Amino acid sequence: IAGITQAPTSQILAAGRRMTLRCTQDMRHNAMYWYRQDLGLGLRLIHYSNTAGTTGKGEVPDGYSVSRANTDDFPLTLASAVPSQTSVYFCASSTTSGRGDEQFFGPGTRLTVL
Amino acid sequence: GQNIDQPTEMTATEGAIVQINCTYQTSGFNGLFWYQQHAGEAPTFLSYNVLDGLEEKGRFSSFLSRSKGYSYLLLKELQMKDSASYLCAVMDSNYQLIWGAGTKLIIKP
Repeated sequence: IAGITQAPTSQILAAGRRMTLRCTQDMRHNAMYWYRQDLGLGLRLIHYSNTAGTTGKGEVPDGYSVSRANTDDFPLTLASAVPSQTSVYFCASSTTSGRGDEQFFGPGTRLTVL
Repeated sequence: GQNIDQPTEMTATEGAIVQINCTYQTSGFNGLFWYQQHAGEAPTFLSYNVLDGLEEKGRFSSFLSRSKGYSYLLLKELQMKDSASYLCAVMDSNYQLIWGAGTKLIIKP
């Protein structure tokens, strides 16, 4: 692995189903993030983790949960998917969550909820 | 509220120069980032400004005026591969990035 990987690449999901989007990084970054990107809107932060074992809520956390059991993995779970969660989801990481640290992005997961 | 404004779309000619503007209003300021995003791909880092002035990096330069809440990204000697969206993002007082909707740059031969 080099950088950040996400799985699946794309998914079509029935409303009401549970879904976990996977994210793994091999850069030993402390901070990790989940964003959603919708047409005409900027990236919006869903949840973040400043270090393993801690998580925090971003701008649009409702309907999503995360965990950070170790440094490398940061899965995002939709407990009961709704059509408004149709979006492209990006996972990102940075050395720390401090000033100036650039974020590196995974390739994204395109999710469609029907 | 927090707000980042940038033009939705711009068109420029190959070999020319283009300036993409970004204005912001945020709670606190810990720097401004520019990212490039090709269609269907992930954003990639271009530049970071935290002090006023111009930062130059090859064909790309980024300028910041904190008193005006204003930044621009300058792209010189445009190439077809520069066709992409350019995202402006401000790090707020909580060290979270607030993102603009992006400027889609179309390069014509």
